[in-house]
Amino acid sequence: AQKVTQAQTEISVVEKEDVTLDCVYETRDTTYYLFWYKQPPSGELVFLIRRNSFDEQNEISGRYSWNFQKSTSSFNFTITASQVVDSAVYFCALPRQGTGFQKLVFGTGTRLLVSP
Amino acid sequence: EAGVTQFPSHSVIEKGQTVTLRCDPISGHDNLYWYRRVMGKEIKFLLHFVKESKQDESGMPNNRFLAERTGGTYSTLKVQPAELEDSGVYFCASSPLTGTNTGELFFGEGSRLTVL
Repeated sequence: AQKVTQAQTEISVVEKEDVTLDCVYETRDTTYYLFWYKQPPSGELVFLIRRNSFDEQNEISGRYSWNFQKSTSSFNFTITASQVVDSAVYFCALPRQGTGFQKLVFGTGTRLLVSP
Repeated sequence: EAGVTQFPSHSVIEKGQTVTLRCDPISGHDNLYWYRRVMGKEIKFLLHFVKESKQDESGMPNNRFLAERTGGTYSTLKVQPAELEDSGVYFCASSPLTGTNTGELFFGEGSRLTVL
């Protein structure tokens, strides 16, 4: 069965520090997608990225970057030069087995606290 | 464009009572999902509608939960009778049908249910 593990429950950093959020997954699918969502204090989950298992290139979007390593079943998320607005809960997810890409299995989330 | 809206934002009821949660998806989104997060745990898939039809309700915990989607527009999730373990945050998400679908789910802010 699909499983997502986010071992870090909470991380506290000071503004401008770099921080990496870990995500380890288990799947029997040969091809699959991986996701990161952000949950700010307002409560809604906000889509950050979808990554196809075909593509192992790292992705960078501004201060955000993602490191996908199929060999270790990890999809880690790094925020460079963190800001207070990055404070949120971050969820890693992958689809339930054989269901396309929208019925998701989420990890338990990592709460990131960025202090000024 | 209005996002996914959920009502109520917070409901406190006693064990044995009934609660109905409502979700208004983004206009034109045929896919509608319900998810639930029990305190501190992962967000779990409950069910999936395509328009007014239930496509997958395999995540529904038991028959005390009833979801409907009238006319393929808004959806309701009724819990009757509520039990203590039903406490949590219920998220609704929507997306367009495949073709215009990038894989992103658009989430509401959630309805927090507290059963005393």
